[in-house]
Amino acid sequence: DIRMTQSPSTLSASVGDRVTITCRASQSISSWLAWYQQKPGKAPNLLIYKTSVLESGVPSRFSGSGSGTEFTLTISSLQPEDFATYYCQQYNSYPWTFGQGTKVEIK
Amino acid sequence: EVQLVESGGGFVQPGGSLRLSCAASGFTFSSFWMSWVRQAPGKGLEWVANIKQDGSEKNYVDSVKGRFTISSDNAKNSVYLQMNSLRAEDTAVYYCARGTQIFDYWGQGALVTVSS
Repeated sequence: DIRMTQSPSTLSASVGDRVTITCRASQSISSWLAWYQQKPGKAPNLLIYKTSVLESGVPSRFSGSGSGTEFTLTISSLQPEDFATYYCQQYNSYPWTFGQGTKVEIK
Repeated sequence: EVQLVESGGGFVQPGGSLRLSCAASGFTFSSFWMSWVRQAPGKGLEWVANIKQDGSEKNYVDSVKGRFTISSDNAKNSVYLQMNSLRAEDTAVYYCARGTQIFDYWGQGALVTVSS
């Protein structure tokens, strides 16, 4: 199975900050990577797929980049509604696997 | 509006069985693969299984192979997860989600608790 490792596990930031979350795959997954946002008690919400394609309705302050084994999710200017947990997910090969999550907290 | 509504969660003893249902609406159900993703309490996400539109292809994570069965009924716009030989480590919120590889719509989740 492909192991996905996110860093950091927790991130403290302020409104307006630029935030970057890293996701590393244990082997190459080409560009087959998605990002989800999850708020407490809610289902995850798809933000980005194929590394950098923004899902419809997702604000443009979210962006993704990378290829192969290293990927990043960037929030250009953190907004109050962005405090949540973020997960990366590979879909290069079965079983699809997720990172352990990065919790973005208010500083 | 796309809606996915899970039902069937509950409390079960180890070794027991449970069947989850997911009723879909707001889209052409027969045109999409469907998936189940679970989340243990306080933990991350784990993909469990998916099924092709016509039911001809199914995939599972190793930890549930031979114990869980995914199925669908296009006439009822529903997908199911039959869970047998349940273990404590199967305790989780189970989400129904639309998609093969990425999941653009999710249900609210159904809590399954396996405990003696």
